[in-house]
Amino acid sequence: SQQGEEDPQALSIQEGENATMNCSYKTSINNLQWYRQNSGRGLVHLILIRSNEREKHSGRLRVTLDTSKKSSSLLITASRAADTASYFCATDASGTYKYIFGTGTRLKVLA
Amino acid sequence: GAGVSQTPSNKVTEKGKYVELRCDPISGHTALYWYRQSLGQGPEFLIYFQGTGAADDSGLPNDRFFAVRPEGSVSTLKIQRTERGDSAVYLCASSPSNNSPLHFGNGTRLTVT
Repeated sequence: SQQGEEDPQALSIQEGENATMNCSYKTSINNLQWYRQNSGRGLVHLILIRSNEREKHSGRLRVTLDTSKKSSSLLITASRAADTASYFCATDASGTYKYIFGTGTRLKVLA
Repeated sequence: GAGVSQTPSNKVTEKGKYVELRCDPISGHTALYWYRQSLGQGPEFLIYFQGTGAADDSGLPNDRFFAVRPEGSVSTLKIQRTERGDSAVYLCASSPSNNSPLHFGNGTRLTVT
């Protein structure tokens, strides 16, 4: 079974709006990572947040981590059409470094 | 610098044939991962190498699948007696160390007819 599960499965917003995606996982982790994928090929790393961190920022991206709830969220502010992609979270059960991906959120940003 | 390279980018084979998929990781990256992804799904973990050894091969679906990394760099995923259900995109990723981001290649799209 997947370690991480994202919701919503699909999200459609207007350009300029914010997009929020959530990830829940099952076991304690070393870190949680968010990736973007275009056209079903290679994934691109966005942000890594460690288990002792609560929030990280990178440009228009903000990631939060709540280890008590075993959940994370990815916020994309001021979205652009180019942000249209699938977004995945990946987690590793503590001590394993075996990264398991969730099922993804398909984001569509309408111009 | 050069990223993760996967060859071939596309492979079509007949049911029952043997295939090899190659991954050239980023130079110096000690960790190497194989995943496979079906349409509309997330990447499914297959195997993870730390150096030359398989640290975790629990994701390999059955004994038709095998992967090697003999010199701790290039890795080959080998599939024997391919089945139509093996059709997917096979993704490789490398990482400089544990607790670091994964760098993905563009994948090999395998189609078994």
